[in-house]
Amino acid sequence: QVQLVQSGAEMKQPGSSVKVSCKASGGTFSSQGFSWVRQAPGQGLEWMGGIIPPFPTPNYAQKFQDRVTITTDESTSTTYMRLSSLRSEDTAVYYCARVLGVYYDSSGYYLYGMDVWGQGTTVTVSS
Amino acid sequence: DIQLTQSPSFLSASVGDRVTITCRASQGITRFLAWYQQKPGKAPKFLIYAASTLHSGVPSRFSGSGSETEFTLTISSLQPEDFATYYCQQVDSYPLTFGGGTKVEIK
Repeated sequence: QVQLVQSGAEMKQPGSSVKVSCKASGGTFSSQGFSWVRQAPGQGLEWMGGIIPPFPTPNYAQKFQDRVTITTDESTSTTYMRLSSLRSEDTAVYYCARVLGVYYDSSGYYLYGMDVWGQGTTVTVSS
Repeated sequence: DIQLTQSPSFLSASVGDRVTITCRASQGITRFLAWYQQKPGKAPKFLIYAASTLHSGVPSRFSGSGSETEFTLTISSLQPEDFATYYCQQVDSYPLTFGGGTKVEIK
């Protein structure tokens, strides 16, 4: 059973960057997809981006395109999300999630959704 | 981007009630829709994918239906542990997007 464990809470100054990690255990890391989703206080879920088959490179939401970098390290079964130029509106809980899907041919991939989630990392941006 | 509109945004119901939540997509997404349940302070929980397929371990009182632009999540007999916020998500095209959520509270 795959489990995702995220790094701890962060307190950051406006204009700085934060890097959150998400380590997978209990399953095969390679060839799986992972996404990052955030939730501001009292608000809904917001998809930021992910590395999802069949694409080997990240796909980002336009809103975060210039500020977010998502990477994976297969040697440590860890995915990372770095958000730069932080502002107060970035105060939120950040979640990593495994993306469930299935190949229907050699290059086609149906997405099903996000079946395993990390516990969340609270990032607070304040001066 | 595909917009998802959930209704209602809030509903008050009693244990044993049948509850239906609607999710409307701004364009057709065939059946590429997932549903999640979230309780306060917790990560979302995966309930349903491909519009109507229950994820492993999800109670059978939950069901999903719909296609293209209109989808529903139904809880046939609301249980105390079902009071939570529910989100739909389209996984048809990038960026993946969520609905605004429906909070189900105890009447």
